[in-house]
Amino acid sequence: RKEVEQDPGPFNVPEGATVAFNCTYSNSASQSFFWYRQDCRKEPKLLMSVYSSGNEDGRFTAQLNRASQYISLLIRDSKLSDSATYLCVVIRVSNYQLIWGAGTKLIIKP
Amino acid sequence: NAGVTQTPKFQVLKTGQSMTLQCAQDMNHEYMSWYRQDPGMGLRLIHYSVGAGITDQGEVPNGYNVSRSTTEDFPLRLLSAAPSQTSVYFCASSKAGGYGYTFGSGTRLTVV
Repeated sequence: RKEVEQDPGPFNVPEGATVAFNCTYSNSASQSFFWYRQDCRKEPKLLMSVYSSGNEDGRFTAQLNRASQYISLLIRDSKLSDSATYLCVVIRVSNYQLIWGAGTKLIIKP
Repeated sequence: NAGVTQTPKFQVLKTGQSMTLQCAQDMNHEYMSWYRQDPGMGLRLIHYSVGAGITDQGEVPNGYNVSRSTTEDFPLRLLSAAPSQTSVYFCASSKAGGYGYTFGSGTRLTVV
């Protein structure tokens, strides 16, 4: 079993819709969680950190469920510019290195 | 701030050649890492460093060397290039453990 698992997609979503990404992780000792966004042929960019109480940044909401070892990202009122691959990231406690999910590709259609 | 700067952006090598991928950051970050990204494989950690003079292996270190003589620079050396090393290489840095990483724009390497 992979340490961080995501649905590979792609998710094809009409503009304006709400889309949710899910991610599970296997190490219950993990402490830090992030969502990254990667555009085609570009570097990953930090979208948001995920806090235990949940956090929101504009149209984006991230949530963490430690009991189920589950992270989610919700995008409301999706825009064409949201088309990208969304990567779930967990920090390995032993060496503070990033453990990456394989990413979920999102395609927003007009 | 330039952030994380990688050079070159593109490189074609012949099998057996060696080369160094450069990475520099100007954010005074202690943590630096090298990743490779292959289609369908996601990002895989090659080597990492938690400070000047300290390096360690990641998931896929074979065929690569690193050194960290300064906080700013973290070069990745390919010792004897193989076609299996054809990939996109990303350098990333973070101010400390538990924080998100900032990535360079990548080096696209092709080994023929």
